Amino acid sequence: EAGVVQSPRYKIIEKKQPVAFWCNPISGHNTLYWYRQNLGQGPELLIRYENEEAVDDSQLPKDRFSAERLKGVDSTLKIQPAELGDSAVYLCASSLDRSTEQFFGPGTRLTVL
Amino acid sequence: EDKVVQSPLSLVVHEGDTVTLNCSYEVTNFRSLLWYKQEKKAPTFLFMLTSSGIEKKSGRLSSILDKKELSSILNITATQTGDSAIYLCATVGNTGKLIFGQGTTLQVKP
Repeated sequence: EAGVVQSPRYKIIEKKQPVAFWCNPISGHNTLYWYRQNLGQGPELLIRYENEEAVDDSQLPKDRFSAERLKGVDSTLKIQPAELGDSAVYLCASSLDRSTEQFFGPGTRLTVL
Repeated sequence: EDKVVQSPLSLVVHEGDTVTLNCSYEVTNFRSLLWYKQEKKAPTFLFMLTSSGIEKKSGRLSSILDKKELSSILNITATQTGDSAIYLCATVGNTGKLIFGQGTTLQVKP
């Protein structure tokens, strides 16, 4: 069974540029999560989807971050414009539903110069 | 505010040693606690614990939850260099949101 797929794996951009990350969850997983992980820290939830609906986006900086999960399958996370402090690994995870274990993708390492 | 704290933050041992990693939590409407292993990429799932006092085992790894003490331990026996990683503890409340601790970095020397 294929795991969670993310692309790109690495991205280097200059500040004020836009960037987008893509995630395809495990087939059949209704719940999808985006996390941000800073160096030396555990992942922090940015947004959680149940099917197409964003049910928890309280930690998403809405002035510059946006996400969508059209058709309830794959998802895109966008930052516009990027700031130096956005440098981190962005992880996508999925689970059957909100009460089962989450499986993580390989992440996208973003460097903002 | 929900919080998960892990200790120690880092640990260096030699192959063959046994290690115990700790996780304590303060979570509203606690449902489960999860352990993940993170090498140079994504966290990989190890255990999910929901009931107090029941040990879960997978090879040389085992974990147990103590709901009275609001804590969990992860044991690794006969450590190997391949066990070197960051071990993450996370809790889940009613909302399904995972709250992670800061992780324990384990280095196993040959």
